[in-house]
This record gives sequence, structure tokens and C-alpha cells, in this order.
Amino acid sequence: DQQVKQNSPSLSVQEGRISILNCDYTNSMFDYFLWYKKYPAEGPTFLISISSIKDKNEDGRFTVFLNKSAKHLSLHIVPSQPGDSAVYFCAAREDNAGKSTFGDGTTLTVKP
Amino acid sequence: NAGVMQNPRHLVRRRGQEARLRCSPMKGHSHVYWYRQLPEEGLKFMVYLQKENIIDESGMPKERFSAEFPKEGPSILRIQQVVRGDSAAYFCASARDTQYFGPGTRLTVL
Repeated sequence: DQQVKQNSPSLSVQEGRISILNCDYTNSMFDYFLWYKKYPAEGPTFLISISSIKDKNEDGRFTVFLNKSAKHLSLHIVPSQPGDSAVYFCAAREDNAGKSTFGDGTTLTVKP
Repeated sequence: NAGVMQNPRHLVRRRGQEARLRCSPMKGHSHVYWYRQLPEEGLKFMVYLQKENIIDESGMPKERFSAEFPKEGPSILRIQQVVRGDSAAYFCASARDTQYFGPGTRLTVL
């Protein structure tokens, strides 16, 4: 049973448009959520996070939205750039120092 | 300020050999996490260590796998008698709160 799910394996977006990556979770004990970006042959790079006490967190072009009642979060990238093309992982934790549970990733392609 | 270091970056072993993967956390970080990524999958948690202590090993296979984080030196993930199914990318992360990942070790078992 996968506790964090990214149902779209891939997403293709035109440069300058908005990219929306989605993530669903089942464990109601998760209270901290993160997005990572990963290029081939590299480790994941932390992008942005959100605590369960918030419903939105913004950092530059990246905004994460959390809907606790729906157990759903999303990452918005606007405007999208070709350099954003990568695999994006959603992750969730039960506490601040614990293990993270990852989704299987969504491959984002931003076309020039 | 160096990031999380992992070595080797690539490791090839024959079935039955031992694999040792090393992870040096970021300066000032005392928490280390190991994850494994199989092709086309996400990262799967293996073990969480603090200096000289295993905090959570719920993701570790019961046999052949062990991890340590000694008082001095890097964290070591050890896989004994490797099998082909152990071929994967192994990532280490260190944290105070947010986990920062190393570049990974790609293990290939022939």
C-alpha cells in the first residue's frame, strides 16, 4: 500500500505556462510535506515544503498548496522554464526528524 | 560548505560479494538517512541513524543489510552477499530538519 501517490508519471508544458504537479496521501499522521526535484544521475534537491498547519507556501516561482481534508497537495511552477525539466518527487513525514515517504515521481518536460 | 558526500558514485559487484557505501553528512548535521531507488520508482526509506545510534531501521531488509554511523567518520551502508536485486541507486540524506541528499551511489550487481 503506497501512502504517497503521484498519479501522473509525466507532464509536458509549454515554456511560460503553469506546471501543476499533484500528490495524494493516505496517512493522516503526515504533518510535513516536501517537494524535491531530481535530475538524472544526481540526488534529489529540496525545493519547497509545507507544514500541515498551513494551506499554502510560496517561494519565487514555486507554490505548494495543501488540502488536508482531501489529503492532497500540489506544486505550481509559474512561469515554467526549460530548466525546470526534471523528475519531481512529493514526500511526506510524520514528524520533523523522521523518515520521509516518497511518491514515485512525475517527469516534467517544459518545451521551449 | 560542502554538501552531503557519497562514495563511491558507482560500484560494481559480482553476486556474493560485499558492497560498502559511504556517506559523509553536511557539517553540523547529526542525522543520516539512507534510501534506495529502484528504476522507475520513488525513493524507499531504509534506515535513520544518529551518531552511534540506529533510530529507525524499519525499511531495512532483515538479512544481509546493515548500517552504522560511528562517532568519527562517515555513515556506512553494508550489503553482504549481494544479489542482482540489490542493483539500485542508494541515496543518503543528512538533516537538522530538512533532509538534504547526496548524489547517490549506483550499485550494479553482475
